[in-house]
Amino acid sequence: NSKVIQTPRYLVKGQGQKAKMRCIPEKGHPVVFWYQQNKNNEFKFLINFQNQEVLQQIDMTEKRFSAECPSNSPCSLEIQSSEAGDSALYLCASSPGASGNTLYFGEGSRLIVV
Amino acid sequence: AQSVTQPDARVTVSEGASLQLRCKYSYSGTPYLFWYVQYPRQGLQLLLKYYSGDPVVQGVNGFEAEFIKSNSSFHLRKASVHWSDSAVYFCAGPNNNAGAKLTFGGGTRLTVRP
Repeated sequence: NSKVIQTPRYLVKGQGQKAKMRCIPEKGHPVVFWYQQNKNNEFKFLINFQNQEVLQQIDMTEKRFSAECPSNSPCSLEIQSSEAGDSALYLCASSPGASGNTLYFGEGSRLIVV
Repeated sequence: AQSVTQPDARVTVSEGASLQLRCKYSYSGTPYLFWYVQYPRQGLQLLLKYYSGDPVVQGVNGFEAEFIKSNSSFHLRKASVHWSDSAVYFCAGPNNNAGAKLTFGGGTRLTVRP
């Protein structure tokens, strides 16, 4: 059983609605990743954090995606205005280190935008 | 650019047969490599990982993989598959940016016939 906890498992949103997903990393893991897995099993790296600081992220210039990992609270990924193309499985993973370490994944949050 | 390729999108074998799922990587240095499995409606579960040392690594549930540098390969093997092994298997390796994020192969959907 995964020690990375993601909620909710499923969310259904209308186009233009906000979608928010949360992730509690495995205890003791300071690094958190968000990936998007589409229906073709293609993985898109979105962002990662070490503690509360962003390490790497894709170009989010469209500003619809935002993420944070506040101290003492779950990490979150939010889509401000959902689009049909955002329908995917959003996977959170945590790691004991930032470089070359194993990623441990949660069960994912499946977003369906109708 | 660094990449991970899984040449076989689908593999079907009979229960009790041996299995090999192929993975090829492109990386300028010595990579760290992983195999993950994804069961329906679940996240990714780590099967095994290679960092250095013995090129044959043992994983969970009887899986093993062999790192062959001369062939740029990291094929996954199992001596005798069970119907419950039916899932999608992903090979992953380092991205071209140093450290953190992984790049994934396209996945191989394994079907085990009873």
